[in-house]
Amino acid sequence: GESVGLHLPTLSVQEGDNSIINCAYSNSASDYFIWYKQESGKGPQFIIDIRSNMDKRQGQRVTVLLNKTVKHLSLQIAATQPGDSAVYFCAEREDSSYKLIFGSGTRLLVRP
Amino acid sequence: DSGVTQTPKHLITATGQRVTLRCSPRSGDLSVYWYQQSLDQGLQFLIQYYNGEERAKGNILERFSAQQFPDLHSELNLSSLELGDSALYFCASSVAPGDTDTQYFGPGTRLTVL
Repeated sequence: GESVGLHLPTLSVQEGDNSIINCAYSNSASDYFIWYKQESGKGPQFIIDIRSNMDKRQGQRVTVLLNKTVKHLSLQIAATQPGDSAVYFCAEREDSSYKLIFGSGTRLLVRP
Repeated sequence: DSGVTQTPKHLITATGQRVTLRCSPRSGDLSVYWYQQSLDQGLQFLIQYYNGEERAKGNILERFSAQQFPDLHSELNLSSLELGDSALYFCASSVAPGDTDTQYFGPGTRLTVL
């Protein structure tokens, strides 16, 4: 399928290494954050979320860190696999609305 | 598979035309969201419905409209189409717009306006 965001920042990692994808969010009133993974030709797929009253949350091979002081969110993927290659988006939700505001995305390439 | 379905998968039409995109949410989800994804603007929120009523509005053009039906499926209507409307259109659904609002996305409809 057609690539989304041909000029996205790209992170290239070796298979088996850990990956860290960063995201700066814009609104200090945002209370809920989500990471999505989007493979070529598919819709965004939910990975992990975190509420603003937490600073860390772990899932299977993934960890999300939230630093509200500097409005920064990161996604750590342990033992990165070829199937992790995709575009990753962070999204924030304001506590006064229900809409998600998406970041511009980062392309993760996993080298075999 | 997220459980959200969208039809059609691809749509090719001409400028000035009108099209309707359809979305069926996951079973049990009451809220539906529409997003537009273009190469130069990323994922943009368009509009949200909850149980048949409009709940939030984003960057949706006046030429676009949407509705959610009693069976909870939703349609996005795009009229007077322009070349710049070519994009991927995603529907997402969630149980309800609540404390944590995990949205599950469908596979999208790729619209090409010639």
